[in-house]
Amino acid sequence: GAVVSQHPSRVICKSGTSVKIECRSLDFQATTMFWYRQFPKQSLMLMATSNEGSKATYEQGVEKDKFLINHASLTLSTLTVTSAHPEDSSFYICSARRGGGGNPNSPLHFGNGTRLTVT
Amino acid sequence: QKEVEQNSGPLSVPEGAIASLNCTYSDRVSQSFFWYRQYSGKSPELIMSIYSNGDKEDGRFTAQLNKASQYVSLLIRDSQPSDSATYLCAVIRGSTLGRLYFGRGTQLTVWP
Repeated sequence: GAVVSQHPSRVICKSGTSVKIECRSLDFQATTMFWYRQFPKQSLMLMATSNEGSKATYEQGVEKDKFLINHASLTLSTLTVTSAHPEDSSFYICSARRGGGGNPNSPLHFGNGTRLTVT
Repeated sequence: QKEVEQNSGPLSVPEGAIASLNCTYSDRVSQSFFWYRQYSGKSPELIMSIYSNGDKEDGRFTAQLNKASQYVSLLIRDSQPSDSATYLCAVIRGSTLGRLYFGRGTQLTVWP
């Protein structure tokens, strides 16, 4: 069964508004979660690493003030797309490792993703 | 992120054939390698992980790793139409945070 739950699965918003996406680890604690973005016909691009109780680590080229990440508990990370624009329309996917932050080389399990459309 | 390169395909094989997917990576200190399958509109699902040189078999899937050549491959035997999907190669680079980087994927079509 699913080990990572993501909500909402689909959201449509108007340009200039903010959207929050939640990612929960089910039945395990995740000190680290990862946020990806995928444009049509392209691969998953790592946006940032969400760290419980501390600041997120962003990949080069990702605006931290636009993509706010909060990892307030051991089972929940949120990504807020602020002042969304049509070019932010994409498939956002979170992931985590079962076993929390333990073995950094173990596979990632992915949420079902959030399809964001900004009109 | 050009750390992981895949032959983008698309790859088309008949049912029952062997599908061969290839991947190269740039970071020599990478230790962990994965193959994910992604159906259209869905999130990736893990097929195989491989950490040591050589072959690793799981049912119809065989992953091969050659760290000297920085090369990973996935063979799918007895391909089925349900195997039609995009196959993503992913690598964990030398990092304690375990960040996973993906290739562009190879689209596979298995025709009946």
